[in-house]
Amino acid sequence: KQEVTQIPAALSVPEGENLVLNCSFTDSAIYNLQWFRQDPGKGLTSLLLIQSSQREQTSGRLNASLDKSSGRSTLYIAASQPGDSATYLCAVRSARQLTFGSGTQLTVLP
Amino acid sequence: EAGVAQSPRYKIIEKRQSVAFWCNPISGHATLYWYQQILGQGPKLLIQFQNNGVVDDSQLPKDRFSAERLKGVDSTLKIQPAKLEDSAVYLCASSLGFLRDGYTFGSGTRLTVV
Repeated sequence: KQEVTQIPAALSVPEGENLVLNCSFTDSAIYNLQWFRQDPGKGLTSLLLIQSSQREQTSGRLNASLDKSSGRSTLYIAASQPGDSATYLCAVRSARQLTFGSGTQLTVLP
Repeated sequence: EAGVAQSPRYKIIEKRQSVAFWCNPISGHATLYWYQQILGQGPKLLIQFQNNGVVDDSQLPKDRFSAERLKGVDSTLKIQPAKLEDSAVYLCASSLGFLRDGYTFGSGTRLTVV
């Protein structure tokens, strides 16, 4: 059974800092990994989708990497802004389903 | 492209009452999912449809939860009777249906059972 862990559970940083969110998974037989953002009381917004054959994906200030063999992914956020404050969830797609971590709650202080 | 539509956005009911949620996926997306997200946790899959057939409902509490996807488009998730522990956000997602496709989620329905 696939298990996804996200560390840290919560993170608070001052505006302008670069930061890294971590995601690990137990079964490396995956098709892809997707990073989502969730604002309080809202649904999930897809940020980046990395296929199992890819090493990284970039979108604006966001960069996600994937090391399938070691079961790890990182989400790098450059020059953080207060508007980046949200919960970030990673989800791993196996043949059976999409399995989520519990998320990292990020607060960027002005 | 229109996103995944869900309604209602919020619902408050008393325990033992029934409730229904509605989802309209992105046009052309064959696969539809219902997830339950309890506060502080990641979403958990309840049921997956491929067109109008059920692919996976192994985590759906079938004694009280039911779901259908008529004509392979809209879907309805029902809870009857509701329990306090059903308080959660119910998320609908859709995808094209291929294993390498990403998921698109709706805004969710926040259910509070009192």
